[in-house]
Amino acid sequence: NAGVTQTPKFQVLKTGQSMTLQCAQDMNHEYMSWYRQDPGMGLRLIHYSVGAGITDQGEVPNGYNVSRSTTEDFPLRLLSAAPSQTSVYFCASSYTMNTEAFFGQGTRLTVV
Amino acid sequence: EDQVTQSPEALRLQEGESSSLNCSYTVSGLRGLFWYRQDPGKGPEFLFTLYSAGEEKEKERLKATLTKKESFLHITAPKPEDSATYLCAPWGDKFYFGSGTKLNVKP
Repeated sequence: NAGVTQTPKFQVLKTGQSMTLQCAQDMNHEYMSWYRQDPGMGLRLIHYSVGAGITDQGEVPNGYNVSRSTTEDFPLRLLSAAPSQTSVYFCASSYTMNTEAFFGQGTRLTVV
Repeated sequence: EDQVTQSPEALRLQEGESSSLNCSYTVSGLRGLFWYRQDPGKGPEFLFTLYSAGEEKEKERLKATLTKKESFLHITAPKPEDSATYLCAPWGDKFYFGSGTKLNVKP
């Protein structure tokens, strides 16, 4: 049972480049979310989805885009990378918003 | 404004030295609170869900309690393998994570 799988684990981007962080879960969870984690600031919600075809913005959505075409996958797109997006990104899934979440291993992104 | 504060930011304990971590919050329409454990380089791992004031949950050396304004994670006779960052996450209309308490247990 893989749980939540994120790829890549590490990534270095140049300012202005775009990329997609991949997230897949095999638990048939409806709720999926993306967080960024910065030192001293805890996890902050970027975007979330309550099911296939439905997405919504979290606390810090600017500069990021998401889509949810299947229950399993929830990719996060950086449209034009900026140094302020240097962070560790976590994808999570759960049955609903208010049930325990399972997190991926994270993607450490550096924008230079 | 909704707010979550965890204290202390860091805690060093000797093996066997019991202590408590605090999570205080102001969250509109609080409906529950999660505790997670996070090891370096990994994603958070679920520990407990608490739904109402007065509720307690236990797991091995950990016990979580909840009041209307704060939650405590009590660690009894900790071992080095309990070293990690502990995150609380209260939720109401929205979901929030605290910045965590980094616990280091020395043998």
